[in-house]
Amino acid sequence: DIQLTQSPSFLSASVRDRVTITCRASQAISSSLAWYQQRAGKAPKLLIYGASTLQGAVPSRFSGSGSGTEFTLTITSLQPEDFATYYCQQLNSYPFTFGPGTKVDIK
Amino acid sequence: EVQLVESGGGLVKPGGSLRLSCAASGFTFRSYPMNWVRQAPGKGLQWVSSISSSSTYIYHIDSVKGRFTISRDNAKNSLYLQMNSLRVEDTAVYYCVRENLLLGSGAADYWGQGTLVTVSS
Repeated sequence: DIQLTQSPSFLSASVRDRVTITCRASQAISSSLAWYQQRAGKAPKLLIYGASTLQGAVPSRFSGSGSGTEFTLTITSLQPEDFATYYCQQLNSYPFTFGPGTKVDIK
Repeated sequence: EVQLVESGGGLVKPGGSLRLSCAASGFTFRSYPMNWVRQAPGKGLQWVSSISSSSTYIYHIDSVKGRFTISRDNAKNSLYLQMNSLRVEDTAVYYCVRENLLLGSGAADYWGQGTLVTVSS
């Protein structure tokens, strides 16, 4: 199975800060990676697929990059509604594993 | 509007069974693979099972193989998860999830609100 790690597991940031979250895969997965945002008590929401393509109406302050084994999610100018937990998921092969999550909290 | 509504969760004793259902609407259900993803209380997300649009391909995570069975009825726009021999560690919110193959190898673009399964004596 492909394992995903995320760093950091927790970060404290302020509104308008730039935030970067890293996801690493235990083996190469090309660009088969998605990012999700989960607010407290809610279902996850798809942000980015194919490592770098923004889904639907997701704000442009979110961006994704990377391929192979290392990926990043960047949020420029953090907004109050962005305080949440973020998960990466690999879609290269079953089982479609998720990373352990990164919680972004208010400083 | 795409909607996924789960039902069937509840409290069950270890070794017991439950059948989760997911009613889909607002899209052509028979055209999409579907998944179940779970989240234990206070924990992260765990992909559990996938089924292709015509039920040809089915996958389960190792920890539920032989105990859980995913199925679908395209005529009823419904997805199911039959869970047998339940264990305490199966306690989680179970999400019904649409997989969209147009989105980079099948990202999960719609999620239900989840149904809680609690396995406890």
